[in-house]
Amino acid sequence: EAQVTQNPRYLITVTGKKLTVTCSQNMNHEYMSWYRQDPGLGLRQIYYSMNVEVTDKGDVPEGYKVSRKEKRNFPLILESPSPNQTSLYFCASSARNGGGYGYTFGSGTRLTVV
Amino acid sequence: SQQGEEDPQALSIQEGENATMNCSYKTSINNLQWYRQNSGRGLVHLILIRSNEREKHSGRLRVTLDTSKKSSSLLITASRAADTASYFCVTSGNTPLVFGKGTRLSVIA
Repeated sequence: EAQVTQNPRYLITVTGKKLTVTCSQNMNHEYMSWYRQDPGLGLRQIYYSMNVEVTDKGDVPEGYKVSRKEKRNFPLILESPSPNQTSLYFCASSARNGGGYGYTFGSGTRLTVV
Repeated sequence: SQQGEEDPQALSIQEGENATMNCSYKTSINNLQWYRQNSGRGLVHLILIRSNEREKHSGRLRVTLDTSKKSSSLLITASRAADTASYFCVTSGNTPLVFGKGTRLSVIA
């Protein structure tokens, strides 16, 4: 089944403790992206990647890192999480950005930083 | 970045009625997409309409696009309780997609 898999689904952590949220897609998509969703603010893009080894900042990249060493994986790294990073996170992929391709989303990761 | 803005912010209808949501955008586009999100879940791609198309259908969904007015509408016919969700429009050009805040649709049985 074609899908985007995020792990974990739920995570509670403490301020400053490094964490990684994994994202993997099995559709050989070139484009991958991370979003966070907060009440009243909608989905905001954190980082995106046009292809392997190509990443770029979205609208809210502060406090996050990403890497794209292989096509299928696009982990989101929080080096020193803070409470304002408590949010619902989504990974998405597409065959290419723009050009008439829909996006496939993961099921989300609900992160709480205390 | 490109962003669609949905209107209304919230919509409540009775089961069986039609639901119409609108989307406006500001820049030229290659295509426009609509997504659905059930509470707390990932977004699901519903339909994509290209800039040279004016109308598209998929099941109970009908999407129109007016590039001269930079607007689109999503019509859901014969709504069901299961259609209760948030709906987002997203425009696509040469820059990454940016999502608006969506329209929250409630279908009351």
